[in-house]
Amino acid sequence: SQQGEEDPQALSIQEGENATMNCSYKTSINNLQWYRQNSGRGLVHLILIRSNEREKHSGRLRVTLDTSKKSSSLLITASRAADTASYFCATETGAQKLVFGQGTRLTINP
Amino acid sequence: DGGITQSPKYLFRKEGQNVTLSCEQNLNHDAMYWYRQDPGQGLRLIYYSQIVNDFQKGDIAEGYSVSREKKESFPLTVTSAQKNPTAFYLCASRKAEENIQYFGAGTRLSVL
Repeated sequence: SQQGEEDPQALSIQEGENATMNCSYKTSINNLQWYRQNSGRGLVHLILIRSNEREKHSGRLRVTLDTSKKSSSLLITASRAADTASYFCATETGAQKLVFGQGTRLTINP
Repeated sequence: DGGITQSPKYLFRKEGQNVTLSCEQNLNHDAMYWYRQDPGQGLRLIYYSQIVNDFQKGDIAEGYSVSREKKESFPLTVTSAQKNPTAFYLCASRKAEENIQYFGAGTRLSVL
């Protein structure tokens, strides 16, 4: 079952611009995580936000969580060509399992 | 060089054949996971194991089998009962007290 839905499915911006991706989910969660996947590779963890947190920062990444709306957003500031990848949100509801969204394909144009 | 190693990188299956995908980790992680990813899609959980000699079905376990005889190893067998096995398979592991999963580089399985 896919808990999360991501929006947009694809995003293309110019280098230096900010990129925002959104994730919605259906049930109560313990935490929400964002992962990055370069084409044909494994996933790399970016950031985790717990259900009692509203905002978290890591370098050029900013994540927000609104549990009342069951949604999260990932903001990448000052984008670089190397940020081109697919980005997935994943929710943990318990039992040490993650449920992944379908991802946003981000393309940064030089 | 610590991490999760998946092999082979590419695998081809003939009709009616069982194939086994290898996943080994030297991170001393307790939990291990197998996911399937179809083109342009997210990850779907096949099986997971939280301790040695124990594993649970995920959302799409039919046509797959696993074993967890050692902490470091969690092989996945794609059986002939899996009629549409072509996909990218990802293995992950996790420390018991952490929430983050660490992923291997994946195995791409195709049908001949």
